[in-house]
Amino acid sequence: EDKVVQSPLSLVVHEGDTVTLNCSYEVTNFRSLLWYKQEKKAPTFLFMLTSSGIEKKSGRLSSILDKKELFSILNITATQTGDSAIYLCAVSTSGTYKYIFGTGTRLKVLA
Amino acid sequence: NAGVTQTPKFQVLKTGQSMTLQCAQDMNHEYMSWYRQDPGMGLRLIHYSVGAGITDQGEVPNGYNVSRSTTEDFPLRLLSAAPSQTSVYFCASSYAGGRETQYFGPGTRLLVL
Repeated sequence: EDKVVQSPLSLVVHEGDTVTLNCSYEVTNFRSLLWYKQEKKAPTFLFMLTSSGIEKKSGRLSSILDKKELFSILNITATQTGDSAIYLCAVSTSGTYKYIFGTGTRLKVLA
Repeated sequence: NAGVTQTPKFQVLKTGQSMTLQCAQDMNHEYMSWYRQDPGMGLRLIHYSVGAGITDQGEVPNGYNVSRSTTEDFPLRLLSAAPSQTSVYFCASSYAGGRETQYFGPGTRLLVL
């Protein structure tokens, strides 16, 4: 059975800290891994990763994929209170049209 | 572009009632899907569609029906609501399932008493 596991489940940090969120997966015929940020409502897209070792970066956020060890990390540097959200990881597989989501990591950044 | 829209935003049902959650997108996306989100469970796929006239089941399809008569619309029907269907429902769309990111609607919060 395909599965995606995120850790930690929740995290509380102070502004300025750096955090690393983890996503591991066990799927048949991996195609891509996606990161989303969910605040009050709908998830919003952060990154899509398809190749190992290539870092994607957007401002203070960055992500990398390791297809050999079957995991990805999402790094947030110099955290701000606006980074408080649930961060979701999803994996898609070749031959299907499904995205499998992890349970998410709830991040709270204190001022 | 309005993106992905969902109605209603919030609904209260009694056990046994039926209703339809509406989802529409104006981006000409082929792929549309419905998820439910429960505390501690992440997003779970209910049904999805790869184009007009084509639908398939996801991880948790029981108690739900879908149809896709047009590219734009993908309604989700609850046949006989149960308290276990209390959840937040998200509709999403993309150009091609699995190859691109999905765009999510704002969600419908459903409470079944």
